[in-house]
Amino acid sequence: DTAVSQTPKYLVTQMGNDKSIKCEQNLGHDTMYWYKQDSKKFLKIMFSYNNKELIINETVPNRFSPKSPDKAHLNLHINSLELGDSAVYFCASSQDPWTGKETQYFGPGTRLLVL
Amino acid sequence: TQLLEQSPQFLSIQEGENLTVYCNSSSVFSSLQWYRQEPGEGPVLLVTVVTGGEVKKLKRLTFQFGDARKDSSLHITAAQPGDTGLYLCAGDTGVDSNYQLIWGAGTKLIIKP
Repeated sequence: DTAVSQTPKYLVTQMGNDKSIKCEQNLGHDTMYWYKQDSKKFLKIMFSYNNKELIINETVPNRFSPKSPDKAHLNLHINSLELGDSAVYFCASSQDPWTGKETQYFGPGTRLLVL
Repeated sequence: TQLLEQSPQFLSIQEGENLTVYCNSSSVFSSLQWYRQEPGEGPVLLVTVVTGGEVKKLKRLTFQFGDARKDSSLHITAAQPGDTGLYLCAGDTGVDSNYQLIWGAGTKLIIKP
């Protein structure tokens, strides 16, 4: 049973295209996150949703738009893809963002390559 | 800007050796987590340290949180090839209204048989 799943695992696309990455968690958690891990392995938070509401929106181009249809899903849509968007995108979830002791469970990542 | 610096960035040693990796910041964290990430996978939590000076052991791995809660170390005794991976530390800012984990860039560890 996969706790946090992402699709697709690999995504190769041309500049200017629009693509979506899907994330689902079956842990019953209230909070989900999107992270970007660059080639230097820095994990940077992009968005966080709690019970379908946006609670963290870091400085991310507005070409990136998260959508949470329900608290088990957090999808990431990217418009007009650019070369610099190439990275590994991780989805994660945790029970509650506000206790400060949360364990975040990560998905396997989506490797995006923009050509 | 809060930063977590990890050192060394890269470490390659022989099986059986001991090693320590460090996670340092000028900021105080209410807790700090260590993760291991294997190639092609997401990070997996190893431990959370909460109290200044706290020491936690996970088999051959010993984690310590600095007294001032600004730094942490991970010591591995008698390293094995299965310990190979990217070790990431992440600190909790403890801000109620905008929860974030601050991540280090990781230490890439290779244990050679």
